[in-house]
Amino acid sequence: QKEVEQNSGPLSVPEGAIASLNCTYSDRGSQSFFWYRQYSGKSPELIMSIYSNGDKEDGRFTAQLNKASQYVSLLIRDSQPSDSATYLCAVNYRDDKIIFGKGTRLHILP
Amino acid sequence: KAGVTQTPRYLIKTRGQQVTLSCSPISGHRSVSWYQQTPGQGLQFLFEYFSETQRNKGNFPGRFSGRQFSNSRSEMNVSTLELGDSALYLCASSLGSGGSADTQYFGPGTRLTVL
Repeated sequence: QKEVEQNSGPLSVPEGAIASLNCTYSDRGSQSFFWYRQYSGKSPELIMSIYSNGDKEDGRFTAQLNKASQYVSLLIRDSQPSDSATYLCAVNYRDDKIIFGKGTRLHILP
Repeated sequence: KAGVTQTPRYLIKTRGQQVTLSCSPISGHRSVSWYQQTPGQGLQFLFEYFSETQRNKGNFPGRFSGRQFSNSRSEMNVSTLELGDSALYLCASSLGSGGSADTQYFGPGTRLTVL
């Protein structure tokens, strides 16, 4: 059973601080990893994708992948109230379907 | 480039009825995936269509079915609706040919309420 695990939260972070979101996955054959943001009542929107070990930065967002530990994380620097949302981790197992975690609710405190 | 579109956006049905939802992918995308999202279960994969063929399937009963047309548009059908089918149904499209082409882009969703 392929699984993607996330802490459901809520994770409360003061405005301006770094928010750290974590995700673990069960299948070592996983090749593609995605982070989506979903505001209440809206559909998920892609923030970042990462395919190889290490860090990938895009503006205030950094995705980190460690395939040996089967761990992927998302860091949000200089957190803003507009970052308050549910963050979904998604993993693609080779050519199989993409599996989503249940998401972590992030709350940025003004 | 236009995004993924889904119709209708909202739907109210009664138990026992059937419903058809439609999804138009981003131009050039050949893969369409369908998901059911509920507060308790999160995003659950229904099925994926690629070039008019069902390529992957989730663990849903046979009441849930889908198809894809030659222009990549996809429809999803739910027969004999149950109260538990009330959910947000999301469609996502991608190029579908592996690697970065697997990046999925979601439509706005169809909110189905079964009374």
